[in-house]
Amino acid sequence: EPEVTQTPSHQVTQMGQEVILRCVPISNHLYFYWYRQILGQKVEFLVSFYNNEISEKSEIFDDQFSVERPDGSNFTLKIRSTKLEDSAMYFCASSEGWEGGTYNEQFFGPGTRLTVL
Amino acid sequence: QQQVKQSPQSLIVQKGGISIINCAYENTAFDYFPWYQQFPGKGPALLIAIRPDVSEKKEGRFTISFNKSAKQFSLHIMDSQPGDSATYFCAARNDGGSQGNLIFGKGTKLSVKP
Repeated sequence: EPEVTQTPSHQVTQMGQEVILRCVPISNHLYFYWYRQILGQKVEFLVSFYNNEISEKSEIFDDQFSVERPDGSNFTLKIRSTKLEDSAMYFCASSEGWEGGTYNEQFFGPGTRLTVL
Repeated sequence: QQQVKQSPQSLIVQKGGISIINCAYENTAFDYFPWYQQFPGKGPALLIAIRPDVSEKKEGRFTISFNKSAKQFSLHIMDSQPGDSATYFCAARNDGGSQGNLIFGKGTKLSVKP
């Protein structure tokens, strides 16, 4: 069964460093998402991406964050200068898109745990 | 207005018992209400979902009850099994006004004792 994959599973970085989190969505999916989950808290939406551009972003997704689909298979989240409060589990999700007036199911990857020291 | 409030935070149920998790929302524009199940080390996986035009949806041992006037919905797990032990998230989505992004509750950690 197709699945969303994410690498690395755990990333440790120093405050102020740049990190890139990588995701490979399911191959025929058209909509891509990043969510994050701070330990013990709820899953929060960061950004959605469609047709090679950001379609929606939350207030969390500030200028320090960027997303890219560099080669038609990978979907990346870059944090330019990490802060302590960026420590969280980051989930990538993808869906087939829009059908019959509703968005299709989002499939989530296993997540990347980012630890900022 | 974008919040989804979930309770309880944790739940312990005996095998064979009924697990009930509740969620409440404020935004009446939400039109899709899924429940996600998450096992340790895995991402959330869609369990069951409902739209506001029905009051109940059942899939096997899992039932969503939806009360539109009260802006509440709940997940019932009948005949709970140890394999159901996981974290459950309710969520909501406004398909008419967003790009499909989900608003999640804080999660409920369910433990089913043998």
